[in-house]
Amino acid sequence: GNSVTQMEGPVTLSEEAFLTINCTYTATGYPSLFWYVQYPGEGLQLLLKATKADDKGSNKGFEATYRKETTSFHLEKGSVQVSDSAVYFCALRLNNAGNMLTFGGGTRLMVKP
Amino acid sequence: GAVVSQHPSWVICKSGTSVKIECRSLDFQATTMFWYRQFPKQSLMLMATSNEGSKATYEQGVEKDKFLINHASLTLSTLTVTSAHPEDSSFYICSAPQTETNHEQYFGPGTRLTVT
Repeated sequence: GNSVTQMEGPVTLSEEAFLTINCTYTATGYPSLFWYVQYPGEGLQLLLKATKADDKGSNKGFEATYRKETTSFHLEKGSVQVSDSAVYFCALRLNNAGNMLTFGGGTRLMVKP
Repeated sequence: GAVVSQHPSWVICKSGTSVKIECRSLDFQATTMFWYRQFPKQSLMLMATSNEGSKATYEQGVEKDKFLINHASLTLSTLTVTSAHPEDSSFYICSAPQTETNHEQYFGPGTRLTVT
């Protein structure tokens, strides 16, 4: 089956620290990969995506590279801010499975000033 | 960008009553919508796929008679929690893919249901 595994949180960092949230996947086909962010009390927002191997998604200083050889899509940011505090979800969508997303368990990030 | 709204944003109801949650795509048409349930500090669990003009498709373990889904139009899907119990208390989130353009899924802000 298809699944997404991401590191458990919470991840607590000081402002301007480097962030990495690991995400690995298993899929029966060739998925598109996504990172979503959920701010407190809100729904999910698409942060970035990559649709094929070696693609790099980037947005708001966050980056993730689709690594087929390691089946990974780790999220990184060079310098986090307090406003980045949220829950981050890694997800995949098989390209032949309509629009259905499979989510990882989510990682809570807490950034302290 | 595309917007998906949910109403209400939060609701408190008594055990045994029914609650209806609405999901609307505000500026695009959605023939399909997804309903998720999220427990505190956990991931989203897909409950069902709502299909305009046909029956919803439920995930394994989700009671279709308890969680009634009606996709009334191309911009509206409703989830009704019937005979609610405290264990139904959760955060319910809907999403809709914008198939006309980028096929990206847009999520509603969620509805927090508390059953007392």
